[in-house]
Amino acid sequence: GAVVSQHPSRVICKSGTSVKIECRSLDFQATTMFWYRQFPKQSLMLMATSNEGSKATYEQGVEKDKFLINHASLTLSTLTVTSAHPEDSSFYICSAPGRGTEAFFGQGTRLTVV
Amino acid sequence: AQSVTQLGSHVSVSEGALVLLRCNYSSSVPPYLFWYVQYPNQGLQLLLKYTSAATLVKGINGFEAEFKKSETSFHLTKPSAHMSDAAEYFCAVTSRGGYQKVTFGTGTKLQVIP
Repeated sequence: GAVVSQHPSRVICKSGTSVKIECRSLDFQATTMFWYRQFPKQSLMLMATSNEGSKATYEQGVEKDKFLINHASLTLSTLTVTSAHPEDSSFYICSAPGRGTEAFFGQGTRLTVV
Repeated sequence: AQSVTQLGSHVSVSEGALVLLRCNYSSSVPPYLFWYVQYPNQGLQLLLKYTSAATLVKGINGFEAEFKKSETSFHLTKPSAHMSDAAEYFCAVTSRGGYQKVTFGTGTKLQVIP
């Protein structure tokens, strides 16, 4: 089946620094990818839709200047958490739509801001 | 608008016992419904999906779910729990034509007691 690879799986960073998370579709092209965030004991919430060659679409309440999304190629989308703070600590996961109805998810990134 | 509600954030069953994880959905249009499993520190794996074909859907690892329109439910079952089934399970919904933008339930953590 289709594979989406997300890197890194875990990252610890200092408050005020930026962190980049990569999401790659390994064996298929994805003009659209989705970024989700999961806070402890909560469900996954859609943050933004990443569109190849154009600006990302952000969900209500998500700061576009803080969560920079770049979808520069048909197989790579990146999420950069800028000036990270402890409240940004969360589990971030990307997905890419496959053929038909299924979405394929990356392994997720556990971000801890200290 | 669409949503899913998972009853019970934690479910404990004995090894060999029936597993029943409940999910109710709300959707203004006929939905696509999914169950995903998340093992510790891993991404999401699709267990099964309903896309308007047979209402009883069989998935991987012996799981199945039945779509009941009259009850707006899509409960996940497995006749006999294994220790390896311990994980978090998410019910999810997407609308047709929604480009796989997925709305997740809050998740149910399944504990299997030896």
